[in-house]
Amino acid sequence: NAGVTQTPKFQVLKTGQSMTLQCAQDMNHNSMYWYRQDPGMGLRLIYYSASEGTTDKGEVPNGYNVSRLNKREFSLRLESAAPSQTSVYFCASSDSWTAYNEQFFGPGTRLTVL
Amino acid sequence: GENVEQHPSTLSVQEGDSAVIKCTYSDSASNYFPWYKQELGKRPQLIIDIRSNVGEKKDQRIAVTLNKTAKHFSLHITETQPEDSAVYFCARRRSYIPTFGRGTSLIVHP
Repeated sequence: NAGVTQTPKFQVLKTGQSMTLQCAQDMNHNSMYWYRQDPGMGLRLIYYSASEGTTDKGEVPNGYNVSRLNKREFSLRLESAAPSQTSVYFCASSDSWTAYNEQFFGPGTRLTVL
Repeated sequence: GENVEQHPSTLSVQEGDSAVIKCTYSDSASNYFPWYKQELGKRPQLIIDIRSNVGEKKDQRIAVTLNKTAKHFSLHITETQPEDSAVYFCARRRSYIPTFGRGTSLIVHP
C-alpha cells in the first residue's frame, strides 16, 4: 500500500495564480484532513472531511477551498495565491471520525508564492 | 480549537541522556493525546499515544505520562541516540479535531 500520497511535491506560484493540491489514500479511511506547517507554528488545520460527501472548516480556512472527490481523494485549491500561503502542506487520513484513531500523513507539498 | 502549549521549543542533550517534553492544554474534555516525530524533510509519524483514562504508557525507550487534574502530559525519552534528533509534536483531541503544539526540536549530540 502507498498510504497517503500528495502531488506535487514542490510548487512555485506567482501572486494571484491558482492551483490545486491533490491527495489520495488507499487505506479505505473515512476521514481526511489538510494542514499547513509554518516554522514555529506546528500543524494548523485548514479543512477536514469527516466522511465522503462532507467538508468543514478548520482553524485557518481563509483563501482555500476543498473537494472530497470520493472516498480516496481530497483536494485543496488556492484560488488566488498570496505570499502568506507560502508553506508546507500536509494531507492526512484516519480510519474514522472518532478521537482515538491514528492520523497518517502524506509526504507534503512545499509551496512558495512569490 | 483549544490551544496546546508545548515546551521547550528546543532541547539539546548528550547521547545517553534523557529528554522530557511537556505539553499543557485547557480543554478538560480532551480524551486522546498523541505524540508525533518529524524528521527533517519528512512527514510527521505517530510514535506513542495515550487515552485520558490512562496515566502512563511506555514503549521501549519512550514513555508518555498524563496528569488530567493539572491538564498536562509529557513525553520522556531515555538513553537518547542521535537518530532521536527530530521535531516532536504533541497533540490533543476531543472528538474529531486534533490540535497540535508548536513542536520541540530535539538535538542529540554524539
